[in-house]
Amino acid sequence: DAGVIQSPRHEVTEMGQEVTLRCKPISGHNSLFWYRQTMMRGLELLIYFNNNVPIDDSGMPEDRFSAKMPNASFSTLKIQPSEPRDSAVYFCASGRGQETQYFGPGTRLLVL
Amino acid sequence: QKEVEQNSGPLSVPEGAIASLNCTYSDRGSQSFFWYRQYSGKSPELIMFIYSNGDKEDGRFTAQLNKASQYVSLLIRDSQPSDSATYLCAVNDYGGSQGNLIFGKGTKLSVKP
Repeated sequence: DAGVIQSPRHEVTEMGQEVTLRCKPISGHNSLFWYRQTMMRGLELLIYFNNNVPIDDSGMPEDRFSAKMPNASFSTLKIQPSEPRDSAVYFCASGRGQETQYFGPGTRLLVL
Repeated sequence: QKEVEQNSGPLSVPEGAIASLNCTYSDRGSQSFFWYRQYSGKSPELIMFIYSNGDKEDGRFTAQLNKASQYVSLLIRDSQPSDSATYLCAVNDYGGSQGNLIFGKGTKLSVKP
């Protein structure tokens, strides 16, 4: 079974550029989560989808961040414009509606 | 503000010893508790979950839950250098979004050969 797939695995960009992160959840999972992890703040939930519908986006830092889930097998997290303080590891996780979550490998984002 | 607290460590134990990792949570209504292991540069990996008071054993790992004290722990017996990682405690977001978890910042464990 393929796990959660994320792309790209690494992204280096310049301040002001648009960044799009992609996630394919595990087949059959109906919950999808986007997290951000930094040394200072740990693992922070950004947004949570259930059956493709955003349930809780209270963790999205500001309007520069947006997320979509057009179907059950794909989600994107977009940052526009990006800033150096957005540099972090972004994880996507999926689950079957219960609390057990399975994490993807993450995208390491560096904004210069 | 719902919180999950962990000692950041590092917790250093010799190979073969028992490592004890602790976690407290603020929401008395929480019902599901998870331990994730995260190796440096990797993603969190679920190793155990527990729902009921008491102990739950899986191989060298034992999760302990005390809801009255709002306390959950993870014991690792016969610790190995390969157990060196950061261990994240997570608790369900009771009263919040179903399926959501609240994570602690993790305890870094170092097992010395």
